Amino acid sequence: SQKIEQNSEALNIQEGKTATLTCNYTNYSPAYLQWYRQDPGRGPVFLLLIRENEKEKRKERLKVTFDTTLKQSLFHITASQPADSATYLCALGPNSGYSTLTFGKGTMLLVSP
Amino acid sequence: NAGVMQNPRHLVRRRGQEARLRCSPMKGHSHVYWYRQLPEEGLKFMVYLQKENIIDESGMPKERFSAEFPKEGPSILRIQQVVRGDSAAYFCASSPPVQGNTEAFFGQGTRLTVV
Repeated sequence: SQKIEQNSEALNIQEGKTATLTCNYTNYSPAYLQWYRQDPGRGPVFLLLIRENEKEKRKERLKVTFDTTLKQSLFHITASQPADSATYLCALGPNSGYSTLTFGKGTMLLVSP
Repeated sequence: NAGVMQNPRHLVRRRGQEARLRCSPMKGHSHVYWYRQLPEEGLKFMVYLQKENIIDESGMPKERFSAEFPKEGPSILRIQQVVRGDSAAYFCASSPPVQGNTEAFFGQGTRLTVV
């Protein structure tokens, strides 16, 4: 069955450092991969999408890489800020092109001042 | 442009009652998705609907759960005869009528508690 793994332990880093979150998957060939941010009691908020034929995507302080051979995506936040503290979700999208996403459980990021 | 609106935000039901969760997609969006998030679990896809049609219900439990997206009005996720295990956060997402790896816009969710 499809399986998506994200670090279950919270990632604690200091303000100004780069946070790197990992998403690994098995038994799946996604057409695209997305990263979302979720704050407590709120719905997920879309951050970045990367397609299977793309290696890297950037948006402001965010960078995503996608290695379909390793079946892995890395999500980086540079110059992290306390406001970046949240749970970050990795989601895989099917070839249908619609948003019937398969989510990981998420990794909590805590940025201390 | 208002985002995806879900109501109620919190819903308490006794075992055996019915729960109705509503979702109004973003303006111009005709695709609606329902996801369930159990405590300590990831979001799980339940059902994907377009106006008046169920496109993919592969994540829906076979019994007690149903969903609709009528021509007029919000999408409804209906849970009959609720049990304690139905307690979860239910999220609705919408996307525009364009196929091709688009992002999903999520609502703030309905937190269902079955007592």
